[in-house]
Amino acid sequence: EIVMTQSPATLSVSPGDGVTLSCRTSQTVGSNLAWYQQTSGQAPRLLIYDASTRATGIPARFSGSGSGTEFTLTISGLQSADFAVYYCQQYDSWPLTFGGGTKVEIK
Amino acid sequence: QVHLVESAGGLVKPGESLRLSCAASGFTFSDHYMTWIRQAPGKGLKWVSYISSSGYTNYADSVKGRFLISRDNAQNSLYLQMNSLSTEDTAVYFCARGGPGVWFDPWGQGTLVIVSS
Repeated sequence: EIVMTQSPATLSVSPGDGVTLSCRTSQTVGSNLAWYQQTSGQAPRLLIYDASTRATGIPARFSGSGSGTEFTLTISGLQSADFAVYYCQQYDSWPLTFGGGTKVEIK
Repeated sequence: QVHLVESAGGLVKPGESLRLSCAASGFTFSDHYMTWIRQAPGKGLKWVSYISSSGYTNYADSVKGRFLISRDNAQNSLYLQMNSLSTEDTAVYFCARGGPGVWFDPWGQGTLVIVSS
């Protein structure tokens, strides 16, 4: 099973700031990585797939990069709706696995 | 608009059974893998089971032999029959379009299953 490690666990930032979230996989997954956003009490929402492709309707302030075992999600100009938990997920091999999440909270 | 809606979960006792359903709309349901994913209170996301468009199924070890996933392509519906429930199965259960080799999108709103005596 591929282990997904996200860091940091929590980021405290101010609205308007930019942040970079990290996701590391225990084995290479190529570009088969997705990022999801989950706000409190809601279902996860797909942000990024294939490591760097924004899903439909996702603003350009969200960007993904990386391949192999190291990936990042960058959010520029944080808005109130962006304070949430972010998960990465690999779909390169079964079982599909998720990272433990990074919580982006208001400072 | 692509949409998934789960049925209500509920409170059940250990050892009891519960069946979840997920109604799909806005896409050709029969063309897609579908997956159940759960999230225990305050925890992360873990896949539970998936079913291919043709009916091939797979289960997480933690539910194998107790849960049964199925689909009705004519009714655009996905199901999860959960038997011999334990307190460790307490979670919000999400249905999602996607599976092996594919990301999950969209997700249903989630349904809470509480297993408690």
